[in-house]
Amino acid sequence: EAQVTQNPRYLITVTGKKLTVTCSQNMNHEYMSWYRQDPGLGLRQIYYSMNVEVTDKGDVPEGYKVSRKEKRNFPLILESPSPNQTSLYFCASSLTPGGYYEQYFGPGTRLTVT
Amino acid sequence: TQLLEQSPQFLSIQEGENLTVYCNSSSVFSSLQWYRQEPGEGPVLLVTVVTGGEVKKLKRLTFQFGDARKDSSLHITAAQPGDTGLYLCAGGWASGTYKYIFGTGTRLKVLA
Repeated sequence: EAQVTQNPRYLITVTGKKLTVTCSQNMNHEYMSWYRQDPGLGLRQIYYSMNVEVTDKGDVPEGYKVSRKEKRNFPLILESPSPNQTSLYFCASSLTPGGYYEQYFGPGTRLTVT
Repeated sequence: TQLLEQSPQFLSIQEGENLTVYCNSSSVFSSLQWYRQEPGEGPVLLVTVVTGGEVKKLKRLTFQFGDARKDSSLHITAAQPGDTGLYLCAGGWASGTYKYIFGTGTRLKVLA
C-alpha cells in the first residue's frame, strides 16, 4: 500500500530537549516536504527536498533542520524546541515538485512543547 | 512571502444549497490544487489544474483555474452533509523555486 508514515503521532516534550520526527514514503517519490498546521494559519511549508542531499527552506524554516540521506526518508529535527513550535506537523511526498502530482500526506504528528 | 488567500474562512449552509470558495494570489502558479482535510487526518487531493482557464468537474464539484493562473474557485452544487470538511487550495512552482504554499482554508459545514 502506497503510504507516508510518520512517527511519533503524539509527542509532549520540554523546552530545549532535542527531538526528531521521522517520515518515510514507499512510493519512490522525489519531492518531500514538511508542513506545520496552526489554527487560522493553514499549512505552512517548513522545508522541502527535491531529492537525496537536496533540501531547501520553505516559508517557516527557523528552528528546524532536515536531512535527506535516503530517497525514502526525510526526518525533521528540532534541536532546541520552544513552545512556539507546538503544532500539528505533516510530512508529504509527491512524484516531482511543481504541484503537478498529488502530494500524499502522512497522518500527522501532534507536538506539544512545554 | 507569497500568499494564497482563501474566502470565505467559514461557511455553514443547508443541504441542497450551492456554494463557491475562492482562492486568490498575486503570484502566478505552475499548478493549483484543491485538497480536502478531515479532522485528525492529512489533506487528500481533490483536483489539480495546470492550464489557465481550465475547468474540471468532479461529480458535484467544479474547479476553475483563472486565465492568468493566479486564482481559482471551487463550486459545489447541491451540497450534502458528506461535503463537510476543510477545503484547502495549494499552489506550486516548477521553476525558480520549488516551494509549495497552501491557502488558509475554508471550513464548510453542511447541515441536514
